[in-house]
Amino acid sequence: KAGVTQTPRYLIKTRGQQVTLSCSPISGHRSVSWYQQTPGQGLQFLFEYFSETQRNKGNFPGRFSGRQFSNSRSEMNVSTLELGDSALYLCASSTLRDRGSHEQYFGPGTRLTVT
Amino acid sequence: AQSVTQLDSHVSVSEGTPVLLRCNYSSSYSPSLFWYVQHPNKGLQLLLKYTSAATLVKGINGFEAEFKKSETSFHLTKPSAHMSDAAEYFCVAASPYNTDKLIFGTGTRLQVFP
Repeated sequence: KAGVTQTPRYLIKTRGQQVTLSCSPISGHRSVSWYQQTPGQGLQFLFEYFSETQRNKGNFPGRFSGRQFSNSRSEMNVSTLELGDSALYLCASSTLRDRGSHEQYFGPGTRLTVT
Repeated sequence: AQSVTQLDSHVSVSEGTPVLLRCNYSSSYSPSLFWYVQHPNKGLQLLLKYTSAATLVKGINGFEAEFKKSETSFHLTKPSAHMSDAAEYFCVAASPYNTDKLIFGTGTRLQVFP
């Protein structure tokens, strides 16, 4: 079974631009979560989608948005990029789980550099 | 509110010696706890998870962790380090009631010397 895939793997953008990152979950997984990883802040939860609906959201400004398609693939968008948005963006997928399981499978990430 | 504290940002060991990565959690209820590993330029891989079954949890690559409620700890151990264990390790908590929001510790970078 193929793992979580993220595209592109590397991206360089300039301040003020916008960017769209893509995540394809493991086949059969309907939940997709996004995380931002930076040296200063560590790993922080962005949002989670299930069946095309956002179920949870972290403490990020409205410039960060996402969506999920009917095939469970997800995109996240960052508008008006700032230097501080440079980070590794990780996507994770999971199935509907038994209570307390919560196992998430992570993709390799997209490395975004804002100049 | 939940939080996860990894007590060491860096741990260095010699190959063949034991590994101990420390993690404490704070939660008003019994959380689900995980250890993930991240190798350079890679995503996170699940090592093991605790979900209120056995308190001693065995994971992949010879790692194990023990849940100690009295100490609110979930330390990760391995009897004998291998060079390939060099990576960043994250202790993670999840609430049974907010199912998909993982709370990450700040990570511990493990160095293994020959």
